[in-house]
Amino acid sequence: NAGVTQTPKFRVLKTGQSMTLLCAQDMNHEYMYWYRQDPGMGLRLIHYSVGEGTTAKGEVPDGYNVSRLKKQNFLLGLESAAPSQTSVYFCASRPRFISGNTIYFGEGSWLTVV
Amino acid sequence: GQNIDQPTEMTATEGAIVQINCTYQTSGFNGLFWYQQHAGEAPTFLSYNVLDGLEEKGRFSSFLSRSKGYSYLLLKELQMKDSASYLCAVRDALGDDKIIFGKGTRLHILP
Repeated sequence: NAGVTQTPKFRVLKTGQSMTLLCAQDMNHEYMYWYRQDPGMGLRLIHYSVGEGTTAKGEVPDGYNVSRLKKQNFLLGLESAAPSQTSVYFCASRPRFISGNTIYFGEGSWLTVV
Repeated sequence: GQNIDQPTEMTATEGAIVQINCTYQTSGFNGLFWYQQHAGEAPTFLSYNVLDGLEEKGRFSSFLSRSKGYSYLLLKELQMKDSASYLCAVRDALGDDKIIFGKGTRLHILP
């Protein structure tokens, strides 16, 4: 009964370091999303994927890269972290056809860049 | 592109009724979600509207008018635990079926 799992949950990075956030889902969902949330803001879409091997840019893609080599995993990479990337990151997944409560969120990953 | 607007903050009294509005402009519309989010937690699903009209679920109701690009979330018999942010999100049918969120409305409940 895992649903959507994000790792790590907390991380502190120094400016210029790189890291990867992992999102894993066990529901065989086609669509996966990475969002960031800053204080007073809603969720802003960074990148998304509509299926294994596909990725696309969202609203705020700069400074991030993603990969979806396996259907169950969606990786978000920061090549050279900047303080502006301090945020809470949420991953979500959903099946192709939506009917009500069919979008599943991870618990969030808190990232601080110093 | 998409543009979703909702009030930044609202305050209401315990036991009262509050209506949170959401207006949207999108290139292709295929549904609207409302989520509740408590501080430090992931969003939790409240409602999903595809067709015009009002849908009621206990103390929460959601309304949609596609022709006006307008939705509202109605919360009745407010409880202290309803203090949270409420996020409106639109499903963009013409853009890879993306889910785009508004900035959220922070609701404060006073005793």
